[in-house]
Amino acid sequence: KAGVTQTPRYLIKTRGQQVTLSCSPISGHRSVSWYQQTPGQGLQFLFEYFSETQRNKGNFPGRFSGRQFSNSRSEMNVSTLELGDSALYLCASRLPETGELFFGEGSRLTVL
Amino acid sequence: EDQVTQSPEALRLQEGESSSLNCSYTVSGLRGLFWYRQDPGKGPEFLFTLYSAGEEKEKERLKATLTKKESFLHITAPKPEDSATYLCAVQDYTNAGKSTFGDGTTLTVKP
Repeated sequence: KAGVTQTPRYLIKTRGQQVTLSCSPISGHRSVSWYQQTPGQGLQFLFEYFSETQRNKGNFPGRFSGRQFSNSRSEMNVSTLELGDSALYLCASRLPETGELFFGEGSRLTVL
Repeated sequence: EDQVTQSPEALRLQEGESSSLNCSYTVSGLRGLFWYRQDPGKGPEFLFTLYSAGEEKEKERLKATLTKKESFLHITAPKPEDSATYLCAVQDYTNAGKSTFGDGTTLTVKP
C-alpha cells in the first residue's frame, strides 16, 4: 500500500512569492491534515480537510490556505512568503474513525 | 487549549541501558494519546495509540503507558537503531481532527 506522497520535497523561494504544496493521501483515507514543523515551534497544526471541506483550522494567518479535491488529494498554498515561513511542511492522512496520522516525508521550504 | 510537554529534551543512552521518556498533557476530553517516532529528514511514523488511563501497548523494545495526566514510553535494552526523536500528541473530542504535539525527546543510543 503506497504511503502519503508529498511534492515537491525541497523548494527555495524569496520573500513575497507564493508557494503551492501537494499531498496525495493513502488510498482510502479521506482525511488530510497539514502541519508546519520548525526547530523553535515544533509541529503546529495548520488545517484538516475531509471530503473536500475544511473541518479544523489552526492559528495561522490567512496567507496559509488549503483545499482538497474529490480524489482526496490536497494542496496547501502560502502567499506573500515571509522568512519565518521557512519550515518543513508535513501532510498526514488518516481514517476518520481512528486518530493515528500517517505522514508524508514533507516539503522543506526555504524562504530567502 | 490542549498542551503537551515532553521530557527530557534529549537523552543519551548506552546500548542496553533501559530508560523512560515522559509526556505530560492537559486536554479537555482525551480522545487519544499518540506516540510517533521521527528520523532526521523524514515525517513522523506512528507507534502507539492509548485511549484510557491504565492502558499499555508494546512493540519490540518499546512500551507505552498512560495515566490521567501523563504517558511514558519505556525503552528496554535499546539499540543504536532506536535513535530518533520521539513525539507525543493528543487529540480531544471537540477537535478530533487536530493533534497537539509536544516538542519531542531526541534519543541517542551509543553502541
